[in-house]
Amino acid sequence: DQQVKQNSPSLSVQEGRISILNCDYTNSMFDYFLWYKKYPAEGPTFLISISSIKDKNEDGRFTVFLNKSAKHLSLHIVPSQPGDSAVYFCAASDRDDKIIFGKGTRLHILP
Amino acid sequence: DGGITQSPKYLFRKEGQNVTLSCEQNLNHDAMYWYRQDPGQGLRLIYYSQIVNDFQKGDIAEGYSVSREKKESFPLTVTSAQKNPTAFYLCASSAVALQETQYFGPGTRLLVL
Repeated sequence: DQQVKQNSPSLSVQEGRISILNCDYTNSMFDYFLWYKKYPAEGPTFLISISSIKDKNEDGRFTVFLNKSAKHLSLHIVPSQPGDSAVYFCAASDRDDKIIFGKGTRLHILP
Repeated sequence: DGGITQSPKYLFRKEGQNVTLSCEQNLNHDAMYWYRQDPGQGLRLIYYSQIVNDFQKGDIAEGYSVSREKKESFPLTVTSAQKNPTAFYLCASSAVALQETQYFGPGTRLLVL
């Protein structure tokens, strides 16, 4: 039973446009959410996070939105750049448990 | 330069052989983790260690073993009992156990001959 779900295995976006990656979770005890970016044959790198007491966190081109009532979060990348092509993992944790990762969404930025 | 190193980058295993994957960190982190990534799958937790000389099983610990004799080192042994060992293995660490941001190594790809 997946607690963190990324229902889109892949997404293609034109360079310069907005990329929106979605993530749903089932555990209402999760209180911290993270996004990781991963290039092929490399380890994931931390991108951005959000605490459950917030509904938005912004860092440069990256913004994460959290909708607790819907148990949904999204990562917005604007404007999208070629170097953004990667797999993006959504992850969640509560204070007493380990981090749970989603299956990832592969983002393709088209020229 | 602080970070996590994993070696080797590629590792080949023969049937029935045990192999050990190395993971070292100089970030002074208390917690360390081993994940496995298969095509189309997310990262699945194999083992984690919150402190030296202590470790716990993750979701897919069968066929694996670990040790944590030193804070900076968390080697993973893939035993012959692991029936499907071919995967990309990722080591991670975090400053505080079971919390928030984990920092990942570059990974080791294990192939069975």
